[in-house]
This record gives sequence, C-alpha cells and structure tokens, in this order.
Amino acid sequence: DAGVTQSPTHLIKTRGQHVTLRCSPISGHKSVSWYQQVLGQGPQFIFQYYEKEERGRGNFPDRFSARQFPNYSSELNVNALLLGDSALYLCASSKPRDIDEKLFFGSGTQLSVL
Amino acid sequence: DQQVKQNSPSLSVQEGRISILNCDYTNSMFDYFLWYKKYPAEGPTFLISISSIKDKNEDGRFTVFLNKSAKHLSLHIVPSQPGDSAVYFCAATLTGTASKLTFGTGTRLQVTL
Repeated sequence: DAGVTQSPTHLIKTRGQHVTLRCSPISGHKSVSWYQQVLGQGPQFIFQYYEKEERGRGNFPDRFSARQFPNYSSELNVNALLLGDSALYLCASSKPRDIDEKLFFGSGTQLSVL
Repeated sequence: DQQVKQNSPSLSVQEGRISILNCDYTNSMFDYFLWYKKYPAEGPTFLISISSIKDKNEDGRFTVFLNKSAKHLSLHIVPSQPGDSAVYFCAATLTGTASKLTFGTGTRLQVTL
C-alpha cells in the first residue's frame, strides 16, 4: 500500500508569492494533519482536517489555510510568503478514533522563500 | 513556550550499548506520549508510545519509561545498532487528539561501530 504522498518535494518561491502544497493520505485514512518543521526545530502543528472539516488549528496566521477534498486528499495554502515560512511542510494521515491512533507522515515538501 | 523539551541535541553511542534519550514536558494535561524517528529526506516514523496510565512500555529493543511526577520520559534502545542512527523526536498530546502533537526539538543519535 502507498504511504502518505506529498507534492512537490521541493519548491522555491519569492516573498509575497502564494504557494499550494498537496497531500494524499494512506488509503482508508480520513484525517489529514499539516505540520511545519523549521530547521533545528521539531514539527509544529498547523491544521487537522477530518471528513472535510477543520478539526484543529495551531498558532499560525490567517495567511495559512487548508482544505480537504471528498477523496480525503488535502491542500495547504500559504499567502503572502515571508522569509520565515521557509521550512519543511509535513503532511500526516491517521484513522481518528482508533484506540491506537497514530500519525503516518509523508516525506514533506521543502519550501524555500527567497 | 517550549512545552516539550529534549535538552540533548545529539548523542553518540557504540554499537551494542544502550542508548538513552530523554524528554521533559511542562504541560500537566498531556497524557499520551510518543517517540518518532526521522531519517534525512524522510518523514518522521512512529516508534513507540505510552499512555499516562502506564509507566513503561516495551516493543522489542525499544522501551519507553514515563515518570509523571517528574514530567519526564525516556527512550531506551538496547542493543543499539548502526541503523538506529537518526533524529529522535519526543511528542506529547491529549488522549483522543493524536493528530495534534507537540514535538520536542529532537535528539540526533549516532551509533558508531
């Protein structure tokens, strides 16, 4: 079975631009979460979507938004990019309400903002 | 405010010896703890977890210990193998919200021959 897939793997943007990152969850997983990992830090929670609804949001500005589609894939959008948005963006999927729920991560999208 | 802390950025251990990775947390509401391993150019991979109703959980070479009064957990790897060389992240959450993890900054483990 395919794991969590993310595209693109690498991206270079300039300040002020907009970016869209994509994620396909593991088959059967209905929850998708997004994390930002800045160099030297641990991943930081951005959003969780379950059944196409936002179920959780981390401490990120409104420039960050996301959505989930009927096939449970997801997009993360970032507007008005800042240099500080340069990071590895990780998508994770899971089966909520499983007794042993755990996140399965994709390999991430490395975003560089110049 | 760093709610989950891994104070050792790196650790070097000889093959066959025990590796002990430490993690401290400040939020007493956390009741579910996980360890993830990350290789370069890959996403984090789940390793082992522990609920606050336990103080120990084992899975093969990996054991996690939880000391709730000290708000401290540790991951023991015995015996350590070269393939264990990776960055290890400690994470914490509330039961039922496993999608919203609070991660530490990670410890880079190097297992030498």
